Amino acid sequence: NAGVMQNPRHLVRRRGQEARLRCSPMKGHSHVYWYRQLPEEGLKFMVYLQKENIIDESGMPKERFSAEFPKEGPSILRIQQVVRGDSAAYFCASSPDRYGYTFGSGTRLTVV
Amino acid sequence: DAKTTQPNSMESNEEEPVHLPCNHSTISGTDYIHWYRQLPSQGPEYVIHGLTSNVNNRMASLAIAEDRKSSTLILHRATLRDAAVYYCILRDPHDAGGTSYGKLTFGQGTILTVHP
Repeated sequence: NAGVMQNPRHLVRRRGQEARLRCSPMKGHSHVYWYRQLPEEGLKFMVYLQKENIIDESGMPKERFSAEFPKEGPSILRIQQVVRGDSAAYFCASSPDRYGYTFGSGTRLTVV
Repeated sequence: DAKTTQPNSMESNEEEPVHLPCNHSTISGTDYIHWYRQLPSQGPEYVIHGLTSNVNNRMASLAIAEDRKSSTLILHRATLRDAAVYYCILRDPHDAGGTSYGKLTFGQGTILTVHP
């Protein structure tokens, strides 16, 4: 059983471009969480999704950021018009319920 | 989620036991104590969790104070691969319908350095 798969592992974008980060949860997991870790900082919750629904997006920046978890396919975290401050490691976690967590290895976004 | 306090860093020698403390004086009766660790360039990894009684698993032991205001993660024989940031997190699995149930609130954690 593969773990939580995130791709790409590293992503470089120029300012103003769009970044798409993908997360494939573990098989049988219907809960997905996204976290962001800025350089030298701790992990911060961004959004919690179940299939086709956003449950809690209290940690998402109000503009340029969106997330989805469609019925089929991976969860996508989308950042439009990236800025240098978006450079960070983005981690996805999945769980079969509200409680158990398995994290992916993250996508490291660099905005140049 | 209630707040936890951990030392910024600790050091250990390889093959020696390590005791990582965590204070959580405002813990509620239904909060579970969870520990995660994050190895360099990796996502966080679950280590152990408990409510009142001490817990053991293949990775570590968790010692919980009788008043539950503090806990200690014990690595019985540290290896170089245990060098990581260790996070102590409180979670209430039975929140009253709020949106906190799905997320973990990470503090700064303790940076553990293991010397050969």
